[in-house]
Amino acid sequence: KAGVTQTPRYLIKTRGQQVTLSCSPISGHRSVSWYQQTPGQGLQFLFEYFSETQRNKGNFPGRFSGRQFSNSRSEMNVSTLELGDSALYLCASSFGQTPSYEQYFGPGTRLTVT
Amino acid sequence: GDSVTQMEGPVTLSEEAFLTINCTYTATGYPSLFWYVQYPGEGLQLLLKATKADDKGSNKGFEATYRKETTSFHLEKGSVQVSDSAVYFCALRMSQGGSEKLVFGKGTKLTVNP
Repeated sequence: KAGVTQTPRYLIKTRGQQVTLSCSPISGHRSVSWYQQTPGQGLQFLFEYFSETQRNKGNFPGRFSGRQFSNSRSEMNVSTLELGDSALYLCASSFGQTPSYEQYFGPGTRLTVT
Repeated sequence: GDSVTQMEGPVTLSEEAFLTINCTYTATGYPSLFWYVQYPGEGLQLLLKATKADDKGSNKGFEATYRKETTSFHLEKGSVQVSDSAVYFCALRMSQGGSEKLVFGKGTKLTVNP
């Protein structure tokens, strides 16, 4: 069974630009969550989607947005990039929503903002 | 709010030494608890989990027991190997109003020397 895939793996953007990251969950998984990982803040929750609906959102500005498609694939978008947005963005999928379902993580997209 | 506190690293051990990484949590309900491992340049991999009090999760020689009375989920391994060198994250997962959220500790970097 294929794991969670994220594209692209690496990305370099300049301040003010926007970026779209993609995540394909494990087949059959309907829940997709996004996390930002930085050396200073650690792993922080961005948002979670289930059946194309955003179910939960972390404490990030409105520049961060996402969506989920009918095939459970998800994208996240960051507009008006800032230097502080440089991070590893991780996507995770799970079969269901209850806490007993573990999340499986993708390898991440390394975003560098210059 | 819900939070996870884990011992700060880095932790450096010799091969075959005993490993303990402490993790305590604060949660308003009864979370599921997880340990994830991140190898250099990779995403997170689920190491083990426990979904209720007194459950013991185990995998690859690692163990952790869900202790409700001490709100702890300490990770242990009897004999570490060089290949165990990685960053370890303790996490809890709660349902909040029907949605999911993983809350991570800051991570503990483990280095095992031959």
